[in-house]
Amino acid sequence: AQSVTQLGSHVSVSEGALVLLRCNYSSSVPPYLFWYVQYPNQGLQLLLKYTTGATLVKGINGFEAEFKKSETSFHLTKPSAHMSDAAEYFCAVIFNDYKLSFGAGTTVTVRA
Amino acid sequence: GAVVSQHPSRVICKSGTSVKIECRSLDFQATTMFWYRQFPKQSLMLMATSNEGSKATYEQGVEKDKFLINHASLTLSTLTVTSAHPEDSSFYICSARETGDRSPLHFGNGTRLTVT
Repeated sequence: AQSVTQLGSHVSVSEGALVLLRCNYSSSVPPYLFWYVQYPNQGLQLLLKYTTGATLVKGINGFEAEFKKSETSFHLTKPSAHMSDAAEYFCAVIFNDYKLSFGAGTTVTVRA
Repeated sequence: GAVVSQHPSRVICKSGTSVKIECRSLDFQATTMFWYRQFPKQSLMLMATSNEGSKATYEQGVEKDKFLINHASLTLSTLTVTSAHPEDSSFYICSARETGDRSPLHFGNGTRLTVT
């Protein structure tokens, strides 16, 4: 069965520390992969996407993600957390049915 | 970049009334729009796929008569919650896709519906 899993529903980091959010998918064919951010009471904003080509993808706000086919992963990172990074992050995948499937989400809090 | 506008951002209505939520793609044409529902502290649940000029496709368990979807033009889709009840209170988010079935979705800012 096709699925997308985000490990860790809540991540707490210190300001300036590395942010690492994990996303794994289950699929027999490489899907298209996305990371979205959601601030309270708002819609979702696209951070970055992987479709084909270079496996290290750079997005907005200093985030990047690397597609690792052998590990079926698409983890999101940011070298130095900022207070404004506190939000909900969703990994999303388009499998072969062209619908966007979301992970359960990871809440990021940033400590001063 | 592509912008999706959703209106209203918040609405409070009485039980038994109907509420219409609009979703517009401002700078691109969207033949397909999607409606999601999000419960507190949870992920987004796809309710239906809205196709311009044809009937919407509803996900399993979503009542089509309760959640009426109209996609009358390439830039506008509406979701009407009919005979709303308190359990319909939720955060509703629309999204639209640019050309290509695997291009990313652009999301509206959501509508917080509270049914009293």
